[in-house]
Amino acid sequence: QSVLTQPPSVSGAPGQGVTISCTGTSSNIGAAYDVHWYQQLPGAAPKFLIYGNNNRPSGVPDRFSGSKSGTSASLAITGLQAEDEAVYYCQSYDSGLSGWVFGGGTKLTVL
Amino acid sequence: QVQLQESGPGLVKPSQTLSLTCTVSGASISSGSYYWSWIRQPAGQGLEWIGRIYTYGRINYNPSLKSRVTVSLDTSNNQFSLKLSSVTAADTAVYYCARADYGGYFDHWGQGTLVTVSS
Repeated sequence: QSVLTQPPSVSGAPGQGVTISCTGTSSNIGAAYDVHWYQQLPGAAPKFLIYGNNNRPSGVPDRFSGSKSGTSASLAITGLQAEDEAVYYCQSYDSGLSGWVFGGGTKLTVL
Repeated sequence: QVQLQESGPGLVKPSQTLSLTCTVSGASISSGSYYWSWIRQPAGQGLEWIGRIYTYGRINYNPSLKSRVTVSLDTSNNQFSLKLSSVTAADTAVYYCARADYGGYFDHWGQGTLVTVSS
C-alpha cells in the first residue's frame, strides 16, 4: 500500500489528453511538500519528468505539466503520442515517516 | 554528464547481507547539496525509497527498513553503498541508486541492478 495514491491505469487516444492524479495526506502533499513526477518506460530506470510541482527539466516537452492543490497533485499530458506509453509515478516527502514516498504508479496506455 | 552505476552480487542467500555499490561519474559526491539515495522496485511493483545520505553526512532511512539498512559514502572512490541485512525473498527487487537534489527530486538514476534472494 503506497503512501501516495494513484489510479492504476489511464488511457487515451493519440492526440488526446489525460490527467493522472496523486492523492496524499496532511503529512505529505497537504503539508506543502513539493510533488515530483517520473516516467518509467518498459525495462528502463525512471526518468524525472516534473519537479517542484510544475517545473519541467530541460528536454521534457511542454505537453507534460504538473499542478498541486491541497492534498493532491496532478500530471497532465496533452497531445498523446505512442512513446508516452509508460508508468508514471508521483513522489513527495512525508513528515511522519521523515522520508520520501512514492505513489503506486499509473500505467498509461495510448490506444 | 552525471552518471550512476550500481554493482554487486545478483544473488544473495536468505538471512545474509545484500551489499551494493554505486559508482558516480561526472560529479563529486563530496561537493554540492545532494542526497545520494537507494530505491528498489520488486518485479511488477512500484518504487520504494530505502535510504539516503547527504553530501555532508546526514543519513535517513525508510522506517520500515531502518533496522536492517546501512548507507555510507566512500569519497575517495566517489562511491556510495548499501547494506541490507537479514534478507528474505521479499527483498528480491531491482535496486537503483539515484542522486536527489536538495529540492527532493531524483534527477539522476542508475540503470538498476536485479538482486534475487534465494538459496
